[in-house]
Amino acid sequence: KAGVTQTPRYLIKTRGQQVTLSCSPISGHRSVSWYQQTPGQGLQFLFEYFSETQRNKGNFPGRFSGRQFSNSRSEMNVSTLELGDSALYLCASSLVQGPYEQYFGPGTRLTVT
Amino acid sequence: GESVGLHLPTLSVQEGDNSIINCAYSNSASDYFIWYKQESGKGPQFIIDIRSNMDKRQGQRVTVLLNKTVKHLSLQIAATQPGDSAVYFCAEILYGGATNKLIFGTGTLLAVQP
Repeated sequence: KAGVTQTPRYLIKTRGQQVTLSCSPISGHRSVSWYQQTPGQGLQFLFEYFSETQRNKGNFPGRFSGRQFSNSRSEMNVSTLELGDSALYLCASSLVQGPYEQYFGPGTRLTVT
Repeated sequence: GESVGLHLPTLSVQEGDNSIINCAYSNSASDYFIWYKQESGKGPQFIIDIRSNMDKRQGQRVTVLLNKTVKHLSLQIAATQPGDSAVYFCAEILYGGATNKLIFGTGTLLAVQP
């Protein structure tokens, strides 16, 4: 069974731009969670989608948003990029809602200049 | 590959030795704990988990110990191998009514010397 895939793997954007990241979960998984990983803050939970609905949200500003499609694929959008948004963005999928038995993708490395 | 994190606590061990990685968690109400391994260029990979009603759980070459009194977790890796070199994170699940969140520790870099 294929693992979690994320595209693109690397991205360079300019401050003020917006960006969309994509995550394809493991087949059959209905939950997709997103995390931000930085050297300073570590791994932080952004939000979780299950059956196309946001079920849980971390403490990030409204510039960070997401959605999930009927095939469980998810996208994350960051608007008005700031230098501090440079990070590795990870998605994780699971059969069940919540942070249980999550399988992580390789991440998208976003650099904001 | 990419470095997972800079300025992480580092544990350096010789191949074949046992490794012990420690973690202090933040919330005494957390009920479920997980250890993840993250290799360069990859996402975190589940290693082992433990519930708060247990104080020890064993897997293949790994053992997790939980001390709720001092809010401390440890991961023991037996006969450490070069392939064990990675960053290790503990994570706790914080229950918040209808929603639960996974909170990660800062991570420890395990460097296995051949």
